[in-house]
Amino acid sequence: GAGVSQSPSNKVTEKGKDVELRCDPISGHTALYWYRQSLGQGLEFLIYFQGNSAPDKSGLPSDRFSAERTGGSVSTLTIQRTQQEDSAVYLCASTPSRPDTQYFGPGTRLTVL
Amino acid sequence: GQSLEQPSEVTAVEGAIVQINCTYQTSGFYGLSWYQQHDGGAPTFLSYNALDGLEETGRFSSFLSRSDSYGYLLLQELQMKDSASYFCAVRPRMDSSYKLIFGSGTRLLVRP
Repeated sequence: GAGVSQSPSNKVTEKGKDVELRCDPISGHTALYWYRQSLGQGLEFLIYFQGNSAPDKSGLPSDRFSAERTGGSVSTLTIQRTQQEDSAVYLCASTPSRPDTQYFGPGTRLTVL
Repeated sequence: GQSLEQPSEVTAVEGAIVQINCTYQTSGFYGLSWYQQHDGGAPTFLSYNALDGLEETGRFSSFLSRSDSYGYLLLQELQMKDSASYFCAVRPRMDSSYKLIFGSGTRLLVRP
């Protein structure tokens, strides 16, 4: 079946603009995660969804970041008033049950000029 | 808190064996996972150790020793395609038991 998909694959934006990043998890996966990865770095946890609810938003770097998930499927990560330090690859992952085995999407490379 | 330490870079020769270590400081966790990430690609799951000991999956093996706060990924018969970054990760045993904490990754370069 299809894996996790993300769009767009690349996004270049100007400082101060808002961006929306989309994630389509594997069908049937109830848990969905967003991570951020800066060049040559590890994965920074942002937010986790179980179904449509987000029990933990503590990883979101600031109030400019928000995320939602509808219908227990597609999720959108929104960054308002983007800053240059927001430039990174944003990865989405989903899991069917055990959180230790996560299936990652290809990521969205965000560049803020 | 939790932290995982990995060497930043390892170089090995094609056909050889390489071990990538992961040491951690965490009060308790469910298990140790390993992920592979090629440049520009997505992380992919390699292995998971819930218990101490060795888990083998083809050319890759992973080991965990909770008493030593240590684990490693062993790659045998190295191939050029194994050049990638490798991340260890743990799921801390806390109220919020869903979050994976990743190490900073080890970049493996396989030379001919």
